[in-house]
Amino acid sequence: DAGVIQSPRHEVTEMGQEVTLRCKPISGHDYLFWYRQTMMRGLELLIYFNNNVPIDDSGMPEDRFSAKMPNASFSTLKIQPSEPRDSAVYFCASSKGARIAFFGQGTRLTVV
Amino acid sequence: TQLLEQSPQFLSIQEGENLTVYCNSSSVFSSLQWYRQEPGEGPVLLVTVVTGGEVKKLKRLTFQFGDARKDSSLHITAAQTGDTGLYLCAGAAMEYGNKLVFGAGTILRVKS
Repeated sequence: DAGVIQSPRHEVTEMGQEVTLRCKPISGHDYLFWYRQTMMRGLELLIYFNNNVPIDDSGMPEDRFSAKMPNASFSTLKIQPSEPRDSAVYFCASSKGARIAFFGQGTRLTVV
Repeated sequence: TQLLEQSPQFLSIQEGENLTVYCNSSSVFSSLQWYRQEPGEGPVLLVTVVTGGEVKKLKRLTFQFGDARKDSSLHITAAQTGDTGLYLCAGAAMEYGNKLVFGAGTILRVKS
């Protein structure tokens, strides 16, 4: 298996622009998680899905953030409009069952 | 306040030395995981412990889950430069909806 695949690996955008991050989970996994990692706050859970249904989005910082999982093999995290404080590494992770997560390589987002 | 407190935050040692890093909480966890993360990569799962008092060994790494399932430790024997990285503990606690939450991590640097 190729593991969790995220794209793009790096994204530089201007403040106010829309940003879409993409994730392909491991086939057969029923949970998908979006995390954000910064030096100040470490790894924070933003939202997670079970069988494509959002279960808990309490970690999503603001209405500017939204996530979708239209099918079992694809998820997006969208930020609109983006702000400099959104700069971070965003990780997607998937698992079979809620407790063990396999992470992608992350998307490093820089908002200037 | 972090649900999982990791210590020390940073550790720099010489190759061949032993070390222990800690993960502590006031909450009881149904399971706890340890991950290692290298620069530019996502966290990689090392081990999962589920039973109070459990000890697991992975080559030179020894993981222990506290009897009360509130804390864990990772001991590395004869550290090697390849052990350098960020070590993260993560746990699922019923009082937090069994979501996987992460500690801030311990940055380990092993010098040759």
